[in-house]
Amino acid sequence: KAGVTQTPRYLIKTRGQQVTLSCSPISGHRSVSWYQQTPGQGLQFLFEYFSETQRNKGNFPGRFSGRQFSNSRSEMNVSTLELGDSALYLCASSGDRLETQYFGPGTRLLVL
Amino acid sequence: GEDVEQSLFLSVREGDSSVINCTYTDSSSTYLYWYKQEPGAGLQLLTYIFSNMDMKQDQRLTVLLNKKDKHLSLRIADTQTGDSAIYFCAETPGGSYIPTFGRGTSLIVHP
Repeated sequence: KAGVTQTPRYLIKTRGQQVTLSCSPISGHRSVSWYQQTPGQGLQFLFEYFSETQRNKGNFPGRFSGRQFSNSRSEMNVSTLELGDSALYLCASSGDRLETQYFGPGTRLLVL
Repeated sequence: GEDVEQSLFLSVREGDSSVINCTYTDSSSTYLYWYKQEPGAGLQLLTYIFSNMDMKQDQRLTVLLNKKDKHLSLRIADTQTGDSAIYFCAETPGGSYIPTFGRGTSLIVHP
């Protein structure tokens, strides 16, 4: 089974721009979660989607949004980028055993 | 304070055992996890333990849980240079499958 894939792997944007990141979960997995990882804040939960519905949400501003498609692929969008949005964005998927999450390699975003 | 705490660094000699410790605050935690992150990579789930268990062993990995003290440890036997990575402890509070992560412990294995 292929693992979780994320595209693009690296991205450079400037302040004020917006960005869309993509995540393809493991085949058959319906839950997709997004995390932000920074040296200062560590790993922080953004949101979780299950069967196209946002089921859980972390404490991030409304500039961070996401969606999930019928094939379980998910995208997250960050609008009006700030320097502090520079981070590694990780996606994780879960199957029937929701207690086990499998992570993708991440998208490293640099905001200049 | 943080919900999950870990020491930042651990240095061991190749062949020795490594013990990485973690404390958490949520007494309703249901699952406790250990993840490994290598440079430039995502997180790899190493093992996890249900809160009603005291110990779990998986090849070179042993997880010990002291629920009374809210203390979790990961022991890696016969540590190899390939074990050098950041190890994250995480817990899920009761009723949720969304883990809360510690800051990670950097394990450095030297010859």
